[in-house]
Amino acid sequence: DTGVSQDPRHKITKRGQNVTFRCDPISEHNRLYWYRQTLGQGPEFLTYFQNEAQLEKSRLLSDRFSAERPKGSFSTLEIQRTEQGDSAMYLCASSLLAGGATLTDTQYFGPGTRLTVL
Amino acid sequence: AQSVTQLDSHVSVSEGTPVLLRCNYSSSYSPSLFWYVQHPNKGLQLLLKYTSAATLVKGINGFEAEFKKSETSFHLTKPSAHMSDAAEYFCVVSGSRDDKIIFGKGTRLHILP
Repeated sequence: DTGVSQDPRHKITKRGQNVTFRCDPISEHNRLYWYRQTLGQGPEFLTYFQNEAQLEKSRLLSDRFSAERPKGSFSTLEIQRTEQGDSAMYLCASSLLAGGATLTDTQYFGPGTRLTVL
Repeated sequence: AQSVTQLDSHVSVSEGTPVLLRCNYSSSYSPSLFWYVQHPNKGLQLLLKYTSAATLVKGINGFEAEFKKSETSFHLTKPSAHMSDAAEYFCVVSGSRDDKIIFGKGTRLHILP
């Protein structure tokens, strides 16, 4: 178990550019989550996958944001036409759904990708 | 609807003294409650988790929390603070019906020598 990894750890981009982040979950975990955390705030839920299916998307996830988990393993989060307001830490977490259809399973977090939009 | 309120944005205690980080929640359903810790430049780490079993939950590093339904609280405590406890702590509520995960705004714990 190598934990949840995220790449890159830091990304600086100019406004209007597209960026893509990658998350590799713990290998046997079937659920994968994306969060955004701004300075002085707790993480805010963006979306989550169960295997390759995207089951829920927050209102925070505008149409400039898209997430995929094509093979039910790693996931990518793309932001198109970045804006300065997108500057934040983007966190990925994974969990193993033990049974039922709830989100009470324990989530394990990656170190995050810090995005700075100039 | 669910919400979580961490009552203090900053808490300072002296090393060796007790720690109390306060969390109140609101949930339409029986919630699951978590405490996570975030050290600078590190990922969020689970401290402990309540899922309707014992109301007193013991976690890692000597932390524990007590679920009090009548007070809708889930305060985090530790008998004796250590310098390494300095970090940001997040209380999290997860509903069993509407599948929302809500983080509190966090409490930054400062440990004074």
